[in-house]
Amino acid sequence: EAQVTQNPRYLITVTGKKLTVTCSQNMNHEYMSWYRQDPGLGLRQIYYSMNVEVTDKGDVPEGYKVSRKEKRNFPLILESPSPNQTSLYFCASSLGGAYLGPQHFGDGTRLSIL
Amino acid sequence: GESVGLHLPTLSVQEGDNSIINCAYSNSASDYFIWYKQESGKGPQFIIDIRSNMDKRQGQRVTVLLNKTVKHLSLQIAATQPGDSAVYFCAETEQAGTALIFGKGTTLSVSS
Repeated sequence: EAQVTQNPRYLITVTGKKLTVTCSQNMNHEYMSWYRQDPGLGLRQIYYSMNVEVTDKGDVPEGYKVSRKEKRNFPLILESPSPNQTSLYFCASSLGGAYLGPQHFGDGTRLSIL
Repeated sequence: GESVGLHLPTLSVQEGDNSIINCAYSNSASDYFIWYKQESGKGPQFIIDIRSNMDKRQGQRVTVLLNKTVKHLSLQIAATQPGDSAVYFCAETEQAGTALIFGKGTTLSVSS
């Protein structure tokens, strides 16, 4: 089954403790992206990757890092999480850039930073 | 069926009605538009898309209409079912765009 898989689905942690949210897709998609979803603000892009070793900032990249060492994986790293990063996070992938076709989303990771 | 002229955060309909969800966009350079459905506890799910060289596209029970003159997009759901209850988002991007810009979302509630 074609899917985007995120782990963990839920995480409660404390300020400053580094964490990584993994994302993997099995559709051989070149484009991958991370979004956060907040009430009243909708979905906003954090980082995206057009292909292996190619990443770039989205609208709200502060406090986040990403890497794209393999085509299928696109982890989101919070080096020193803060409470304002408490949010619902989604990973997405598509064949090419956002214009070439619809993005397919994972089921989300709910992060709570205390 | 129920329809809204402007974007409203919620829409309540009866099972079997036709639903119309509206979305306004501001970027005249936007060239590709997508409707997503998001159920509770899940990620956005692709419903239908349309490019700016079209003004209408139909899928199974869904139709998307695009009016570039007034920068307006709508999603029509025929014979709405309880399983259609969800939050619906429109999204847009420019040609060679690297990100989707999402609208605020409309919560559709279907009662039987």
